[in-house]
Amino acid sequence: DGGITQSPKYLFRKEGQNVTLSCEQNLNHDAMYWYRQDPGQGLRLIYYSQIVNDFQKGDIAEGYSVSREKKESFPLTVTSAQKNPTAFYLCASCPDRDENEQFFGPGTRLTVL
Amino acid sequence: EDQVTQSPEALRLQEGESSSLNCSYTVSGLRGLFWYRQDPGKGPEFLFTLYSAGEEKEKERLKATLTKKESFLHITAPKPEDSATYLCAVQGLGGYNKLIFGAGTRLAVHP
Repeated sequence: DGGITQSPKYLFRKEGQNVTLSCEQNLNHDAMYWYRQDPGQGLRLIYYSQIVNDFQKGDIAEGYSVSREKKESFPLTVTSAQKNPTAFYLCASCPDRDENEQFFGPGTRLTVL
Repeated sequence: EDQVTQSPEALRLQEGESSSLNCSYTVSGLRGLFWYRQDPGKGPEFLFTLYSAGEEKEKERLKATLTKKESFLHITAPKPEDSATYLCAVQGLGGYNKLIFGAGTRLAVHP
């Protein structure tokens, strides 16, 4: 079964802690993305990667970090510098930079206690 | 600045009552307009891509249309299982494959 998986589904974090959200895809897609979704707002782009070992900041990258060491994996770390991290985090992938449609994973809901 | 506005924020329909959702956009050259469906607590599910004014696409009870300034998602004879949030996004010509999302329309279809 091809698709995008995200783990965990729910994550609780204490203030001051870093946490890492997992995103894995077996679609052989080149491009991967991380979005944040807050109630009443559209999805906002955090980071994106168009190829292995390369990634760029999106619109709201402050307080986040990523890596792209393997084509199928694009983990997101939410650092203690992110002032309001409670949100629903969505990972997406796209066949390559010239394709349009992005396909999303099931999401991770992060709550800061 | 690229922008997407969806209306209404929420829509309640009776089963079988057809209606339309609106997506107005401003973008510096449209590369594509996308519609997604999102169920509570889940990731968005891709529905349609529209590329140029006048284009239409259909899937079951859904039909998406595109003009130079807006897109409509028409829902014909909806069923309760069509209840979801519908998201619209646009991609401009400049730069990388970046999508600008609207806030969505929450649709509730009651029996």
